[in-house]
Amino acid sequence: RKEVEQDPGPFNVPEGATVAFNCTYSNSASQSFFWYRQDCRKEPKLLMSVYSSGNEDGRFTAQLNRASQYISLLIRDSKLSDSATYLCVVGSGYSTLTFGKGTMLLVSP
Amino acid sequence: GAVVSQHPSRVICKSGTSVKIECRSLDFQATTMFWYRQFPKQSLMLMATSNEGSKATYEQGVEKDKFLINHASLTLSTLTVTSAHPEDSSFYICSARPGGETQYFGPGTRLLVL
Repeated sequence: RKEVEQDPGPFNVPEGATVAFNCTYSNSASQSFFWYRQDCRKEPKLLMSVYSSGNEDGRFTAQLNRASQYISLLIRDSKLSDSATYLCVVGSGYSTLTFGKGTMLLVSP
Repeated sequence: GAVVSQHPSRVICKSGTSVKIECRSLDFQATTMFWYRQFPKQSLMLMATSNEGSKATYEQGVEKDKFLINHASLTLSTLTVTSAHPEDSSFYICSARPGGETQYFGPGTRLLVL
């Protein structure tokens, strides 16, 4: 079983749509959770950390379900500039981060 | 967020040569830096953890004699790919943590070995 698993997509959505990504992780001892965004041929950039209580940053909402070991990212009112690959990232608490392969999002006019 | 730089951004070299990649934390000190590699359409894979003033910690399957890491100061870590071969062609990315769990990534180095 992969340590961090994501649907690779691509998710094709029109501008203004709401889209949700899910991610599952296998290590129940994982302690930190993040969503990163990676544009084509660029480095990953932190989008947001994910907390047990859930957190929201503008159009982006992230939630963590420890019991089911999954993390979600919801993007509302999609913009063209949201087109990217979204990486689910899990930390073990020993500084090591494990990355999913990413979910590609394509927002069209 | 914190700023991490990498140099060079891309390298094309002949098989058998060595390539050095620099990773710098520009506005913070980092006792630990991380080196990743990403092949096309694959996830980032941690290669090694670079520790200032001590030996790097390598992930399983990563040859320490081939990927030499030096972390001589609190703001600089270098990765040297020795005797590079075409299969070493990849996107190499470093990261550093200013504090806590969040890692900030450098812009990456695209290596092509002919």
